[in-house]
Amino acid sequence: DQQVKQNSPSLSVQEGRISILNCDYTNSMFDYFLWYKKYPAEGPTFLISISSIKDKNEDGRFTVFLNKSAKHLSLHIVPSQPGDSAVYFCAASSIQGAQKLVFGQGTRLTINP
Amino acid sequence: GAGVSQSPSNKVTEKGKDVELRCDPISGHTALYWYRQSLGQGLEFLIYFQGNSAPDKSGLPSDRFSAERTGGSVSTLTIQRTQQEDSAVYLCASSLLFRPRDTEAFFGQGTRLTVV
Repeated sequence: DQQVKQNSPSLSVQEGRISILNCDYTNSMFDYFLWYKKYPAEGPTFLISISSIKDKNEDGRFTVFLNKSAKHLSLHIVPSQPGDSAVYFCAASSIQGAQKLVFGQGTRLTINP
Repeated sequence: GAGVSQSPSNKVTEKGKDVELRCDPISGHTALYWYRQSLGQGLEFLIYFQGNSAPDKSGLPSDRFSAERTGGSVSTLTIQRTQQEDSAVYLCASSLLFRPRDTEAFFGQGTRLTVV
């Protein structure tokens, strides 16, 4: 039972354009969401997060949008840069299981020069 | 080093053998997590340690899996009688506080386990 889903295994975007990565969840108890970025042979690194009391959080080129009614969040990267090429994981947690993160399968983003 | 360190980086073992995976968390971090990533899957929570509290073992897939954390620092994940479905990348993470929402969790580079 996949509680967090990233339905696009891969995404290719031209440098300078906007990258949009999507994530859907099923558990209505999730109230905190995070995005991690992973380069090959490295561990995931935290990118940006959002609490369910917000619908948007912005950090530089990265913006996360949360649509609670649709149980959907997205990560926007603009403008996209070659160094953004990586696997992006969406993760969620709930108050009850606050120490656990439930991850999606990941989306491989490739930025083409 | 300043980051989370895991060893070995790669491990190939025969089916039925036991393996031990090691994690050195960032000094001073009280919380330590183990996750695994099977091929094509997301990271799957295995176990969580917080200070001297009893660990949350709810994610361990079977009784062949166990983990300990000695002295509140180094952790070892042990898999007994390995099976092919245990093949995955095992990731360790640590954080200063116990909830990922309150503090950033830093991941190690992982141990790639292959059971043949």
